Amino acid sequence: GEDVEQSLFLSVREGDSSVINCTYTDSSSTYLYWYKQEPGAGLQLLTYIFSNMDMKQDQRLTVLLNKKDKHLSLRIADTQTGDSAIYFCAESYGNKLVFGAGTILRVKS
Amino acid sequence: EAGVAQSPRYKIIEKRQSVAFWCNPISGHATLYWYQQILGQGPKLLIQFQNNGVVDDSQLPKDRFSAERLKGVDSTLKIQPAKLEDSAVYLCASSLIPVGNTGELFFGEGSRLTVL
Repeated sequence: GEDVEQSLFLSVREGDSSVINCTYTDSSSTYLYWYKQEPGAGLQLLTYIFSNMDMKQDQRLTVLLNKKDKHLSLRIADTQTGDSAIYFCAESYGNKLVFGAGTILRVKS
Repeated sequence: EAGVAQSPRYKIIEKRQSVAFWCNPISGHATLYWYQQILGQGPKLLIQFQNNGVVDDSQLPKDRFSAERLKGVDSTLKIQPAKLEDSAVYLCASSLIPVGNTGELFFGEGSRLTVL
């Protein structure tokens, strides 16, 4: 069955880069996503990548996809305190999204 | 543009009681999802509607959970009777077309359920 794994916690200093990693199991996933969840709020789509791409850049965000290893990463450049949140990796599986457990990003000033 | 609206935001009940959650998706979004997010876990899909028809309810515990989407707009999710393990945040999400084509789900803020 489908499964998405993420590391649970990442702590960085303000201004540094953050890299959040994710592995997934369904090689037929069409899209892979990164969602952000701030305290008390719903999930918000940050970015997504089509499965035939290796990289996607969107301002401070860079997504890298290694389809052979089923590995997805999200790099946040110049991390700010406002980036502190839970980041969820998700893969498309049929007509639904399957989410990982989330990575808590803590940014220290 | 108004987002996905959910109510109530918080609900505390005792086990074996019933509870209902309401969701109003973004106008024009044909696809509606209910996710369950247990503390420390990622959201898990409970049920997906396309207009007012059920597309996927394979992970919905049908002995106690039910959901409907009358007229293809608002939706309600009901739990009866509730168990302790139902304590979670219930997230409603909507999309213009089913996920897997474009991928953007819009989530509400969620309804936090505590079962004592």
